[in-house]
Amino acid sequence: RKEVEQDPGPFNVPEGATVAFNCTYSNSASQSFFWYRQDCRKEPKLLMSVYSSGNEDGRFTAQLNRASQYISLLIRDSKLSDSATYLCAVSSNTGKLIFGQGTTLQVKP
Amino acid sequence: GAVVSQHPSWVICKSGTSVKIECRSLDFQATTMFWYRQFPKQSLMLMATSNEGSKATYEQGVEKDKFLINHASLTLSTLTVTSAHPEDSSFYICSARKGWEQYFGPGTRLTVT
Repeated sequence: RKEVEQDPGPFNVPEGATVAFNCTYSNSASQSFFWYRQDCRKEPKLLMSVYSSGNEDGRFTAQLNRASQYISLLIRDSKLSDSATYLCAVSSNTGKLIFGQGTTLQVKP
Repeated sequence: GAVVSQHPSWVICKSGTSVKIECRSLDFQATTMFWYRQFPKQSLMLMATSNEGSKATYEQGVEKDKFLINHASLTLSTLTVTSAHPEDSSFYICSARKGWEQYFGPGTRLTVT
């Protein structure tokens, strides 16, 4: 079993839709959780850290469920520019980040 | 800010030669940097953890004699791919740790012919 698993998609949604991604992790000792965005042939860019209480940044909401060992990302009012691959990442106290394989989102006009 | 640069952004080399990639944190000091490799349509795979002033820690399956890492200062880590072969062709990305977050360089696309 992979340490961090994501549904690779692709998720094809119309503009304005709400879309949610889930990510599960296997190491219960994981301490920090992140969502990254990666555009084609580019480096990942930090989208948001995920906190236990959940956090929101504009149209993006991230949540953490430690009991079930998953994190989620909700995107509201999808824009064409949201089309990208979304990577969840999990780290332990060593600071090493383990990435999921990424979920591809394609927002259509 | 948290800006990380990499150089070169792309390189083509002949099989058997060595290639050095630089990773710099431009506006912060990073005692820990990480090197990743990403093949097409796959996720990032951690290769090694680079610690300033000490030896790098390599992930299982990564040959330390082939991928030489040096972290001589708080703002610079280098990865040297020695005796490169076509199967080493990949997208190499570094990151620098700032607090609990990691910030990535723009990546180096290596093609070995």
